Amino acid sequence: AQSVAQPEDQVNVAEGNPLTVKCTYSVSGNPYLFWYVQYPNRGLQFLLKYITGDNLVKGSYGFEAEFNKSQTSFHLKKPSALVSDSALYFCAVSPVFSGGYNKLIFGAGTRLAVHP
Amino acid sequence: DVKVTQSSRYLVKRTGEKVFLECVQDMDHENMFWYRQDPGLGLRLIYFSYDVKMKEKGDIPEGYSVSREKKERFSLILESASTNQTSMYLCASSLPRQGIQVGELFFGEGSRLTVL
Repeated sequence: AQSVAQPEDQVNVAEGNPLTVKCTYSVSGNPYLFWYVQYPNRGLQFLLKYITGDNLVKGSYGFEAEFNKSQTSFHLKKPSALVSDSALYFCAVSPVFSGGYNKLIFGAGTRLAVHP
Repeated sequence: DVKVTQSSRYLVKRTGEKVFLECVQDMDHENMFWYRQDPGLGLRLIYFSYDVKMKEKGDIPEGYSVSREKKERFSLILESASTNQTSMYLCASSLPRQGIQVGELFFGEGSRLTVL
């Protein structure tokens, strides 16, 4: 079965420190990979995506993500965390063989808490 | 500014009631989706639609139906609400996938449904 795993329910980091939110996937082929963020009582917002090419992709709000094909991972990173980055982060994959529907499979989410 | 609007942010219904959740997008997107979000489970796809009057079951369609009479509007219907349908419901839209061109999903703010 196709799945996305976010192994940490919560990540705590001090403001100014680098952060990493982990994501691994189990999908056949070379899927397209996404990160979304959800602030309290809001819908999800797109952060970044990997389709092909450079393994390091840059996105909104200073976030970046590193694709590692051999480890089937797509970890989200930021060099210096802000308190305002505190939110719920979702990793998602779009299997290559899902037609034109652009369906996404989401992970369970990781809550990021950045402390002053 | 692109927008996906969900008509009700908070609803409280009784077991057995029929519930309508409405979603409207102003981006002329072909694809529309209904997800439910539960803590620890992430987002799970209920139904999606790739064109007017077209619908496909997602991963958890039981107890739900949908309607798409116009391109911009996608409704989720709970024929007889049950307590296990208490959840956050998220509507999303996107352009269709074309080759390696994969656009992101745009989400509404969510509708938090409580079934008593």
